Amino acid sequence: GAVVSQHPSWVICKSGTSVKIECRSLDFQATTMFWYRQFPKQSLMLMATSNEGSKATYEQGVEKDKFLINHASLTLSTLTVTSAHPEDSSFYICSAGPRDRMYGYTFGSGTRLTVV
Amino acid sequence: GQSLEQPSEVTAVEGAIVQINCTYQTSGFYGLSWYQQHDGGAPTFLSYNALDGLEETGRFSSFLSRSDSYGYLLLQELQMKDSASYFCAVREWDKIIFGKGTRLHILP
Repeated sequence: GAVVSQHPSWVICKSGTSVKIECRSLDFQATTMFWYRQFPKQSLMLMATSNEGSKATYEQGVEKDKFLINHASLTLSTLTVTSAHPEDSSFYICSAGPRDRMYGYTFGSGTRLTVV
Repeated sequence: GQSLEQPSEVTAVEGAIVQINCTYQTSGFYGLSWYQQHDGGAPTFLSYNALDGLEETGRFSSFLSRSDSYGYLLLQELQMKDSASYFCAVREWDKIIFGKGTRLHILP
C-alpha cells in the first residue's frame, strides 16, 4: 500500500515556459504532500508542504510565485514551475504517506526537468 | 534550525558489514528514518526509529539514541546492489528533513 505516482518522469522545456508536475496518491488519501528538489549528487531539499484545501507552506528561500503548488483534492498535488530558467533544471520528487504513518513516507518516481 | 550530519562517502567490501552514522539537531523530534536512493531513482524507505534501541529488518538494522541525538544504519552481508546513497531523515513536527546523504561504494 501507500503508492505515490508522479508524472511526468522527465520533461524538457524552453526557457520562459511553465511546466506542471503531478503527484497522486493511488491507494490512500493524502492531506499533506511534500515537494523536494534534488541536484546531482546532493541531498533532497524540501521545497514546500502541500496541504489539501489550503495554501502550501514554503521553505525559506523558495519562491512562491515561481513554484506554484495546488493541492485541490485528497489524492492530487501539482507543482508548476513558472517562467522556467536553466537553473531550475533539477530532479523534483514528491512524497506522501497515510495520515497515521508519519515516518515511512513513500516517494514518487521523480521528475527530471531540463530547461533549455 | 535543524541539521543532520552523516559522512559523505563510505567504502566497504562485498560481504562485509558497514555502519553509517547520523547525528541530528532539531526541534520537535518524532523519529529518525533511513532511505536508500540509487542513481537516477527515487528514495525508498528502509527503516524508522522512534524510540531508543535497535530495529532489525533483514540485512539492515537501525539504531537510535535520543539522548545523544545519534543514530546509525547497519548493513550486513553487503551486496553489490547495496551501492547507493543512504539518507537519514528526521521527522520534525509535520515534515521530514533529510541529511546530505552517504554514498556507499562496495568493492568486489
